[in-house]
Amino acid sequence: DAMVIQNPRYQVTQFGKPVTLSCSQTLNHNVMYWYQQKSSQAPKLLFHYYDKDFNNEADTPDNFQSRRPNTSFCFLDIRSPGLGDAAMYLCATSRSVRFSAAEQYFGPGTRLTVT
Amino acid sequence: GNSVTQMEGPVTLSEEAFLTINCTYTATGYPSLFWYVQYPGEGLQLLLKATKADDKGSNKGFEATYRKETTSFHLEKGSVQVSDSAVYFCALEAGTALIFGKGTTLSVSS
Repeated sequence: DAMVIQNPRYQVTQFGKPVTLSCSQTLNHNVMYWYQQKSSQAPKLLFHYYDKDFNNEADTPDNFQSRRPNTSFCFLDIRSPGLGDAAMYLCATSRSVRFSAAEQYFGPGTRLTVT
Repeated sequence: GNSVTQMEGPVTLSEEAFLTINCTYTATGYPSLFWYVQYPGEGLQLLLKATKADDKGSNKGFEATYRKETTSFHLEKGSVQVSDSAVYFCALEAGTALIFGKGTTLSVSS
């Protein structure tokens, strides 16, 4: 089945130690998104790729970076995780950057713990 | 700015009860509106959507109507099942982003 896969499902890192989360998709969608979801809060968009074009949300901290080496893969890099970065990180894909009621497909998420 | 407000949870119901989860929004213009559902251990899935005023989205017995006059998109189901237990998110389209509500946890017991 076509899907969005996130690895690992659970990640523990130390304060200040760089960490990378990965996302892959078999849907061949041109847009990929990263959301951050803290406990009991709404998912919040960090950035997205439209094809190879990177689009950062204005309030996304510089500590968060992303890479998309090809259509199928997208990575979230946290350069120096702080305790406040502990959250669920959700990857999503869609067929076009303009929704026009287009559907976003989400992966299961990676839960990041910072010790 | 754009925002979505959902009713606080958790919502606890018995099987076959009627469900309403309230959602109101603030937005510029008339964005598309969505309900997503997150089952335990899984990612968010689109449940239904509406693209313009008075549209009714429906799926799996769930319905929601886009009400421009009340800026609302309430989710309803006539008879819930145990398998409907999940977290429900209301969302609106805002350019390249989805703006989500905080989610409402539904727990259905047999």
